[in-house]
Amino acid sequence: EDKVVQSPLSLVVHEGDTVTLNCSYEVTNFRSLLWYKQEKKAPTFLFMLTSSGIEKKSGRLSSILDKKELFSILNITATQTGDSAVYLCAANFGNEKLTFGTGTRLTIIP
Amino acid sequence: DVKVTQSSRYLVKRTGEKVFLECVQDMDHENMFWYRQDPGLGLRLIYFSYDVKMKEKGDIPEGYSVSREKKERFSLILESASTNQTSMYLCASSFVPFQPQHFGDGTRLSIL
Repeated sequence: EDKVVQSPLSLVVHEGDTVTLNCSYEVTNFRSLLWYKQEKKAPTFLFMLTSSGIEKKSGRLSSILDKKELFSILNITATQTGDSAVYLCAANFGNEKLTFGTGTRLTIIP
Repeated sequence: DVKVTQSSRYLVKRTGEKVFLECVQDMDHENMFWYRQDPGLGLRLIYFSYDVKMKEKGDIPEGYSVSREKKERFSLILESASTNQTSMYLCASSFVPFQPQHFGDGTRLSIL
């Protein structure tokens, strides 16, 4: 069964810290892995990863995929209170659907 | 800019009522999806559609049906609402299946 597992479930850090969020998957026919950020409303798309070892970067956020070990990480450096959100990881297993993890709730304390 | 609009942000209905949740996208996307989001369970796919009048069951279709009469509109129907269908419902769309999905703001539905 296709499965996506995120860790930790929640994380509280101080502003300025660096955080690493984890996403692992069990695959039958892996195609891509996606990260989303969800504040109070719609999840917003951050990154899509399809190849191992290629880092995707957007400002203070970056992400990388390891297809051999079946995981991805999302890094946020110099965190700000606006980074507080639920971060969702999802994988596409070669069909029309995305399978989501349960999310990591990140709280940044000023 | 991509826009997925859900008709209601909050909705309160009674057990046994027939409930309609509407979703409209303005991006000419082929694929549309309905999820529900519950604490500790993440997003779970209810139904999706890859073309007008086409629909496919997701992981938790029981108690739900969908309608897609026009490309831009995808409706979720709760045939006879029950309290265990109290949840946040999210609609999404994508141009092709494996491309990023764009989400609406969600409808928080309470069934009393």
